[in-house]
Amino acid sequence: TQLLEQSPQFLSIQEGENLTVYCNSSSVFSSLQWYRQEPGEGPVLLVTVVTGGEVKKLKRLTFQFGDARKDSSLHITAAQPGDTGLYLCAGRPTGGTSYGKLTFGQGTILTVHP
Amino acid sequence: GAGVSQSPSNKVTEKGKDVELRCDPISGHTALYWYRQSLGQGLEFLIYFQGNSAPDKSGLPSDRFSAERTGGSVSTLTIQRTQQEDSAVYLCASARGQGGTEAFFGQGTRLTVV
Repeated sequence: TQLLEQSPQFLSIQEGENLTVYCNSSSVFSSLQWYRQEPGEGPVLLVTVVTGGEVKKLKRLTFQFGDARKDSSLHITAAQPGDTGLYLCAGRPTGGTSYGKLTFGQGTILTVHP
Repeated sequence: GAGVSQSPSNKVTEKGKDVELRCDPISGHTALYWYRQSLGQGLEFLIYFQGNSAPDKSGLPSDRFSAERTGGSVSTLTIQRTQQEDSAVYLCASARGQGGTEAFFGQGTRLTVV
């Protein structure tokens, strides 16, 4: 079983601050995704990273995939109240009969105060 | 519709009763996932269907849980003899393929066992 450990579990910050969320595993993933979920809704994809060392930017969000494809980070610059939500990382295995199976981390609840 | 549809959106059932949760994936998507989510937590993997392959049932918590996918489209998750610990939001997602493709989620079914 491939496990993804997310940290921190909770993050409460003031508007304008920077933050980083981490997603770690002892397993190698073929790809890793970050989703954001708001109350009462299903998660929505933010980004997919597939290459070790890959960095992707989405406005104020920067995503990095570790060189060994075992970990990832999400960095938000100058957080805004609209960034509040549950952030989830999810990975797919490199092969085998369950290639394509998507495993999620425990999530990070981010609250940005005005 | 264009998205993943789940029904019912809410279900309250008595302990010991059986329930069926339905998921209509996006047309043409070969992958279908079921997850369980407790309040503010991450997604617990339940089962994964990919095309005509045997499903990955490794996440089903007990033999009271089962799922099927008819004709490669609609899926039903059945929980027999429901227990209070089964109370959660059950999320369904579909994806176009096995690789690093986006998983599209429904809004979930909130199950409450009383």
